[in-house]
Amino acid sequence: EPEVTQTPSHQVTQMGQEVILRCVPISNHLYFYWYRQILGQKVEFLVSFYNNEISEKSEIFDDQFSVERPDGSNFTLKIRSTKLEDSAMYFCASSVTGNQPQHFGDGTRLSIL
Amino acid sequence: QKEVEQNSGPLSVPEGAIASLNCTYSDRGSQSFFWYRQYSGKSPELIMFIYSNGDKEDGRFTAQLNKASQYVSLLIRDSQPSDSATYLCAVTPSNDYKLSFGAGTTVTVRA
Repeated sequence: EPEVTQTPSHQVTQMGQEVILRCVPISNHLYFYWYRQILGQKVEFLVSFYNNEISEKSEIFDDQFSVERPDGSNFTLKIRSTKLEDSAMYFCASSVTGNQPQHFGDGTRLSIL
Repeated sequence: QKEVEQNSGPLSVPEGAIASLNCTYSDRGSQSFFWYRQYSGKSPELIMFIYSNGDKEDGRFTAQLNKASQYVSLLIRDSQPSDSATYLCAVTPSNDYKLSFGAGTTVTVRA
């Protein structure tokens, strides 16, 4: 069964450094998403992406965050200058259309020191 | 008011019993409703989705939706120890595709 893949599984970064999280969505899916989950808290929406542009973003997704689809398969989340509070699990998800079920990758655990 | 609320749990059920999970949502125009299972340290795994009022069954799982009451539930029949996990209710608000998640209900199935 096709799946969303994310790399790396764990990223440790010094505060203030830039980090790029990578995702390969399911190949026939058209909508892509990033979510995060701080330890012990609920899953929170960050951004959705369709037709090579952001379709919606949350208050969390400020100027430090950006997303890109650099080629036909990858979907990336960049955090420009990481803060301690960015430490969380980051999940990429994709769906065939906007109202179809979203399938999640295994996540990247981001630890900011 | 929280967008999606779930009964806080934890919920402990004996093996073979029915586990009943509840979820309410605040946006009356919400269109799509999902149940995800999340094992500790893992990602959400889709187990059920429902779009229309009524019941939807898939194996041991049944999702129930009542849009008038803004309520969605999940029943797990013949609970197994492998069902022990946190169950997340997720809703797409009106005119939107993002998922709004509840805080989750942790279920423990006792052997």
